[in-house]
Amino acid sequence: KAGVTQTPRYLIKTRGQQVTLSCSPISGHRSVSWYQQTPGQGLQFLFEYFSETQRNKGNFPGRFSGRQFSNSRSEMNVSTLELGDSALYLCASSFRQGAGEQFFGPGTRLTVL
Amino acid sequence: DQQVKQNSPSLSVQEGRISILNCDYTNSMFDYFLWYKKYPAEGPTFLISISSIKDKNEDGRFTVFLNKSAKHLSLHIVPSQPGDSAVYFCAASSTNTGNQFYFGTGTSLTVIP
Repeated sequence: KAGVTQTPRYLIKTRGQQVTLSCSPISGHRSVSWYQQTPGQGLQFLFEYFSETQRNKGNFPGRFSGRQFSNSRSEMNVSTLELGDSALYLCASSFRQGAGEQFFGPGTRLTVL
Repeated sequence: DQQVKQNSPSLSVQEGRISILNCDYTNSMFDYFLWYKKYPAEGPTFLISISSIKDKNEDGRFTVFLNKSAKHLSLHIVPSQPGDSAVYFCAASSTNTGNQFYFGTGTSLTVIP
């Protein structure tokens, strides 16, 4: 079974631009969560989608948004990029909402210049 | 506000010895806890979990202990192997928050051959 895939793996943007990251969950998994990882902050929860609906949202500004498609693939969008948005963005999938074990993708490394 | 804390950023252990990684949490509503292991350039992978109805869970060389009164959990690796060198994250959730997991900042374990 293929794992969680994320594209692109690396991205360089400048301040003020916007970016869209993509995540394809494991086949059959309907829950997709997004996390931001920065040094010293660990993994910070962004949001979770299940059956195309946002179920949970972390404490991030409205510049961070996401969506999930009918095939469970998910995208995350960050508008008006700031230097502090430079981070590793991780996507995780699980079969059901509330499932303990999540399967993570390799992440997208975003650098904002 | 960091609800899950890993106060040791790094730990070095001799091969064959025990590795003990610690994690503290502040939210008494957390009832499910997990440990993930992360290698460079890869996403975290699930290692072991424990629910609040237990105080210990074993899986091979890995044992997680939960002390609810102290809001503390620990991961024991016995015996430690060089392949265990990675960053370890603890995570916690509440059944009330679905798949919203709160992660610690990670502890980098180095097992010296």
